[in-house]
Amino acid sequence: GIQVEQSPPDLILQEGANSTLRCNFSDSVNNLQWFHQNPWGQLINLFYIPSGTKQNGRLSATTVATERYSLLYISSSQTTDSGVYFCAAGGTSYGKLTFGQGTILTVHP
Amino acid sequence: DTAVSQTPKYLVTQMGNDKSIKCEQNLGHDTMYWYKQDSKKFLKIMFSYNNKELIINETVPNRFSPKSPDKAHLNLHINSLELGDSAVYFCASSRQTNYEQYFGPGTRLTVT
Repeated sequence: GIQVEQSPPDLILQEGANSTLRCNFSDSVNNLQWFHQNPWGQLINLFYIPSGTKQNGRLSATTVATERYSLLYISSSQTTDSGVYFCAAGGTSYGKLTFGQGTILTVHP
Repeated sequence: DTAVSQTPKYLVTQMGNDKSIKCEQNLGHDTMYWYKQDSKKFLKIMFSYNNKELIINETVPNRFSPKSPDKAHLNLHINSLELGDSAVYFCASSRQTNYEQYFGPGTRLTVT
């Protein structure tokens, strides 16, 4: 099955800083999603992005499917951005999403 | 108007008991999933149903049995609970397979 690797595993920022999170995947994908798991454990959909570029406010994402990676950009970070960011990829296996191990983001005021 | 809901939110029980977790989605989706998140935050798929038919059955002990009474509901029954079953269980749904998945709030199961 698909392997998904995220980097960095941990990231500590001051409020206002920008950051880039990376997701590498081992095979072609039909589904690529980014999630934010907040401190209450809720998984929040950020982007559905099997290819191309999308933007939503301070967040944007790019997936280069031919090179098998996706990037999540967070600009002007806020303390509420803290939590775990997951990338998940799905190939042809009936919608099965394989998750990366996550990036733990801590934003200090 | 919650999209994907789960009950209960917390479940504390003793080893050997049988318990169920319920999931409902009001998005009109055809596909539903169960994922398990362990203590290290690793998320792994367990089961998936499409139009009430089981399409994904990962390597899960047969003490776990999913049931989909209709397209909007997917329940998870666990027999003879063990300490290692303690985790957060997430339900998710998508319009079809390979479409964007939406997750419920999770059920934190603690087995003592």
